[in-house]
Amino acid sequence: GAGVSQSPSNKVTEKGKDVELRCDPISGHTALYWYRQSLGQGLEFLIYFQGNSAPDKSGLPSDRFSAERTGGSVSTLTIQRTQQEDSAVYLCASSLGPPGSTDTQYFGPGTRLTVL
Amino acid sequence: AQSVTQLGSHVSVSEGALVLLRCNYSSSVPPYLFWYVQYPNQGLQLLLKYTSAATLVKGINGFEAEFKKSETSFHLTKPSAHMSDAAEYFCAVGAYTGRRALTFGSGTRLQVQP
Repeated sequence: GAGVSQSPSNKVTEKGKDVELRCDPISGHTALYWYRQSLGQGLEFLIYFQGNSAPDKSGLPSDRFSAERTGGSVSTLTIQRTQQEDSAVYLCASSLGPPGSTDTQYFGPGTRLTVL
Repeated sequence: AQSVTQLGSHVSVSEGALVLLRCNYSSSVPPYLFWYVQYPNQGLQLLLKYTSAATLVKGINGFEAEFKKSETSFHLTKPSAHMSDAAEYFCAVGAYTGRRALTFGSGTRLQVQP
């Protein structure tokens, strides 16, 4: 039914605080991606989940960033001890999977994070 | 490794004029390619996708793109611009093997003048 949803749509936090961003993928999609879009730049890959496989964390910029995906569905991206350079729009995408396919990634509306 | 270069961060055209947004890619393996559009305060919406079938790909809203392997290009065109086409456009490359995430260009903001 519905597309990819993300919450909150906007988050303002103070430097040093932790934040959690949520993504609900399209039902039945086994692959889930997190990207970051900084002002005036393209999308930067953060992390990828495929089914029950170990996630591809190769894009995470520091150990302050982590993500989990519970039950193969909802995902949470956590940023600890936020810094001003973390301010960006965080986009989640999902796709049918499977590895080796050219399946299309469908994007959510994003969460705009502002770190003061 | 893959990379995408979008020439021109801003493109301005008149309503009714041809739209041409340039994308060049680099990939060590056979690529598949996307164009996405992003309207203000929205997520990315798929315009079209190339997956090694026909080299000329038709998408939504009258857009099309041609894959040219010899030029490593995947330029996006539309014969006649509409005001509603004003948005940011992203070219992205993926690979059949290796890392599954897409590599995006930095985007081109299209302005349509009345």
